[in-house]
Amino acid sequence: AQKITQTQPGMFVQEKEAVTLDCTYDTSDPSYGLFWYKQPSSGEMIFLIYQGSYDQQNATEGRYSLNFQKARKSANLVISASQLGDSAMYFCAMRERTQGGSEKLVFGKGTKLTVNP
Amino acid sequence: EAGVAQSPRYKIIEKRQSVAFWCNPISGHATLYWYQQILGQGPKLLIQFQNNGVVDDSQLPKDRFSAERLKGVDSTLKIQPAKLEDSAVYLCASSPQDRGGTGELFFGEGSRLTVL
Repeated sequence: AQKITQTQPGMFVQEKEAVTLDCTYDTSDPSYGLFWYKQPSSGEMIFLIYQGSYDQQNATEGRYSLNFQKARKSANLVISASQLGDSAMYFCAMRERTQGGSEKLVFGKGTKLTVNP
Repeated sequence: EAGVAQSPRYKIIEKRQSVAFWCNPISGHATLYWYQQILGQGPKLLIQFQNNGVVDDSQLPKDRFSAERLKGVDSTLKIQPAKLEDSAVYLCASSPQDRGGTGELFFGEGSRLTVL
């Protein structure tokens, strides 16, 4: 079963507008973490923002904020004031514990964001 | 602080040939990961090392893929023999052994493999 679901294969937004990228997750572990990474066409994965399952407030990092709705198991990324350089693939990921006690990140399929001038 | 180093950046081989990728994690990072990212998909974990021991290789196709992390620092991922479906970007990532941290992974630029 897919643990991270990103239902939007592609999104378009006008420059300077805000955009929301959807992410839902599935876990039975009460302690988990949620991440968003950006992957430009050059290929590197850039960490954007993190939300812990016990964090009371939604995470924010500059123009990025995470709309965390724990009961609905959703962790949507909001990008405010979009810029042309925001055009990239965006991946939602969840930190989960393995049977051996270690932790790993499981990624969704990604959303391709295109910012139009 | 230097980031995660990977080489080569690009490699083109024919099917049934072999290939090896190298990764040097951020200094002091105990955990090292190899992910496979097929075009249009999210990264999939192949193998995870804690120091020089394997903690998760459940999704590594062991009949053709192998990886090692001698001395608990740099790592090599090998594919032998390669198949067409191995065409992908191989991402190496590392993270510090810090239970109080977020568990953020730091990624290298990736090694893009094309199998003809």
